[in-house]
Amino acid sequence: QQPVQSPQAVILREGEDAVINCSSSKALYSVHWYRQKHGEAPVFLMILLKGGEQKGHEKISASFNEKKQQSSLYLTASQLSYSGTYFCGTEISSSYKLIFGSGTRLLVRP
Amino acid sequence: EPEVTQTPSHQVTQMGQEVILRCVPISNHLYFYWYRQILGQKVEFLVSFYNNEISEKSEIFDDQFSVERPDGSNFTLKIRSTKLEDSAMYFCASSVIREHGYTFGSGTRLTVV
Repeated sequence: QQPVQSPQAVILREGEDAVINCSSSKALYSVHWYRQKHGEAPVFLMILLKGGEQKGHEKISASFNEKKQQSSLYLTASQLSYSGTYFCGTEISSSYKLIFGSGTRLLVRP
Repeated sequence: EPEVTQTPSHQVTQMGQEVILRCVPISNHLYFYWYRQILGQKVEFLVSFYNNEISEKSEIFDDQFSVERPDGSNFTLKIRSTKLEDSAMYFCASSVIREHGYTFGSGTRLTVV
């Protein structure tokens, strides 16, 4: 039931773009994206509900392909502050919980 | 900006002892959760709580775990007899409705020795 995230790790130069993917074998009600910095709590970035949509938040956006049960997080023109571990969390209709993927470690270098 | 508050920030306990982790969710939030994260690993679901009762619990949440909302504001996680493998960061989270993101507290680092 755990969603599968890829890649496991990404190293970028400041200004470069990245895509993080999340896929599920279950029909999803929602997909959440969170960023966690070392020693801190996860911070909510955005939620995508079934119906297929794309959302944006500054230079970070995400899409949800309901047919494939896949979501992607797009980081454009990366900044040093984007470094951290990104988790997707998925929820199915009959469940009241998020199940998180194993995370993608992102490092942005000057 | 409203916060989820967790206390204590760090607790060290001896194996077999009981611990209570405390959380004050955001006041108008209706859904409450406990998650744990073993160092460097994924965030694992423990239990969800809505309308003063458990909505769902994971296989980790066995008889040694319990949750309560004793006074309408605090939300507690009790571990009755701690084991070494319970050492982890425990996060409380809340959301206003199901279709909103979760706000996580800063966590309680539990160390069982």
